[in-house]
Amino acid sequence: QQPVQSPQAVILREGEDAVINCSSSKALYSVHWYRQKHGEAPVFLMILLKGGEQKGHEKISASFNEKKQQSSLYLTASQLSYSGTYFCGTEIDYGGSQGNLIFGKGTKLSVKP
Amino acid sequence: DSGVTQTPKHLITATGQRVTLRCSPRSGDLSVYWYQQSLDQGLQFLIQYYNGEERAKGNILERFSAQQFPDLHSELNLSSLELGDSALYFCASSVGGSERPGNTIYFGEGSWLTVV
Repeated sequence: QQPVQSPQAVILREGEDAVINCSSSKALYSVHWYRQKHGEAPVFLMILLKGGEQKGHEKISASFNEKKQQSSLYLTASQLSYSGTYFCGTEIDYGGSQGNLIFGKGTKLSVKP
Repeated sequence: DSGVTQTPKHLITATGQRVTLRCSPRSGDLSVYWYQQSLDQGLQFLIQYYNGEERAKGNILERFSAQQFPDLHSELNLSSLELGDSALYFCASSVGGSERPGNTIYFGEGSWLTVV
């Protein structure tokens, strides 16, 4: 049930763009994206619901392809503050949802000056 | 600050011992979730409670148990501790359960458990 994230790690220079993918073998009700700095709590970025639109704020946006059960997180013009590990959390559609999230293993993003 | 409060922040204990981790959800949230994160590992879902009742169970060991009290705070009990139980334990909360899917889940700062 655990979603698969790719890539596992990516190194960027400031100002470069990145895409992080999340794929599930199960039908999903929603996909949640979080960023975690080392030793800190995961911080919520955005949620995408089935039937919903692409979300985004500032230079971070995401999409959700219901047919493929895939989501992608887009980071444009990256900043040093974007460094961290990005997790997608998937809410499985049981014909409703239990509400809990199953997380991928994470994508470690490092932004260099 | 997410509004989810966890105590203690750090805990060191010996193998074979038992510990209790405590969590207070955000005001108004009825669902509480527990996750385990080992060194450089992802977030492993342990268990979810909604308004005092167990709602979903993940990869929680039989040595571990949890409950949610009438005031909605939750406790995670870890017993017969082993070295491999050393991890960061997160509590998270959201407004609803299955009747309101798609809720944002907010994480507490976590409790660092070291078993020696």
